[in-house]
Amino acid sequence: KAGVTQTPRYLIKTRGQQVTLSCSPISGHRSVSWYQQTPGQGLQFLFEYFSETQRNKGNFPGRFSGRQFSNSRSEMNVSTLELGDSALYLCASSVGHAESNEKLFFGSGTQLSVL
Amino acid sequence: TQLLEQSPQFLSIQEGENLTVYCNSSSVFSSLQWYRQEPGEGPVLLVTVVTGGEVKKLKRLTFQFGDARKDSSLHITAAQPGDTGLYLCAGSGGYQKVTFGTGTKLQVIP
Repeated sequence: KAGVTQTPRYLIKTRGQQVTLSCSPISGHRSVSWYQQTPGQGLQFLFEYFSETQRNKGNFPGRFSGRQFSNSRSEMNVSTLELGDSALYLCASSVGHAESNEKLFFGSGTQLSVL
Repeated sequence: TQLLEQSPQFLSIQEGENLTVYCNSSSVFSSLQWYRQEPGEGPVLLVTVVTGGEVKKLKRLTFQFGDARKDSSLHITAAQPGDTGLYLCAGSGGYQKVTFGTGTKLQVIP
């Protein structure tokens, strides 16, 4: 069974640009969550999608958005990039039951550098 | 806002030593998970604890969930270089709303 796939692996952008990251969950998983990881702030929850609907949202500005397609693949978009957006962006997939202890499977992440 | 504080932040030990990592919060969680993350990779789930006071063992790793479900600890016996990585606790309040701890970076020196 293939794991969670994130593309691209690395990305370099300049301030003001926008970026789209992609995540393909494990086959059969319907929930996709996105996290931002930085040395200073650690792992922070961005949002979670289930069946093409955003089910949960973290405390990030509106420049961060996402969507999920009918095949459960998800994309996140960051517009008007700022230097502080440089981070490892991680995607996690799960079956999608609304259980607190559901297992999350993470991808290897997209390392975004904003210059 | 639910916060999870981990201590210590960094730990560098010799192979064969024992260590304990702590994860503390003022909030109650319905479950708590521990992950290990290696450089360039995403976190990998090690264990989930659900019941207050629960103890789970995974080979040389022992996980404990506090009675009040606000804190947890991870104890590693006879650490090995392969245990090197970033250890993260994560508390869940439901609906995949997971709060990750601040992380403990462990280095085991051969």
